[in-house]
Amino acid sequence: GENVEQHPSTLSVQEGDSAVIKCTYSDSASNYFPWYKQELGKGPQLIIDIRSNVGEKKDQRIAVTLNKTAKHFSLHITETQPEDSAVYFCAVFERGANNLFFGTGTRLTVIP
Amino acid sequence: DTGVSQDPRHKITKRGQNVTFRCDPISEHNRLYWYRQTLGQGPEFLTYFQNEAQLEKSRLLSDRFSAERPKGSFSTLEIQRTEQGDSAMYLCASSQPGANEQFFGPGTRLTVL
Repeated sequence: GENVEQHPSTLSVQEGDSAVIKCTYSDSASNYFPWYKQELGKGPQLIIDIRSNVGEKKDQRIAVTLNKTAKHFSLHITETQPEDSAVYFCAVFERGANNLFFGTGTRLTVIP
Repeated sequence: DTGVSQDPRHKITKRGQNVTFRCDPISEHNRLYWYRQTLGQGPEFLTYFQNEAQLEKSRLLSDRFSAERPKGSFSTLEIQRTEQGDSAMYLCASSQPGANEQFFGPGTRLTVL
């Protein structure tokens, strides 16, 4: 099965600064890479995703980049705000199994 | 609210008891997934349905776990003879036909005493 590694496990930034979270995966056939935000006591919320035929995607303050050759992808959050504080998970869609493999999560804290 | 719903939100049970959780997917989503999430970890895939057909169940954690989706709408996940190690958040997600995006419900937190 797919092996997804996510770094860092915790990240603290000052409000207004940028945050970057990185993930690597093992199966070169994987073709869909979503990012989820999970707040305490809630289910994961899809915030952005990217497919393997695209290198970068942006949605307002959030962007995702994908390097298929190196098998890694990253989440970029600019102009961070306190409400961005949450746990963020990367995931990889395994085509053969038709399900998502998740990273271990990054706890982001934005300090006002 | 037209999102994925799960019931109950919290369940406390004693070791050895059976528990059943329900998931109602987003309307017209034909795929439904069950995941388990333990503290400090990402969700772990358990099983999924396309309409009423259970297409993958080899990842269910043991034969004490079973899932159904009899009419292709809501689904239930049952755990028999619960153990303390079953304590976790059980998440349900759904997706549209032919789409990769999965939308999660709020989860059911199970505590086994």
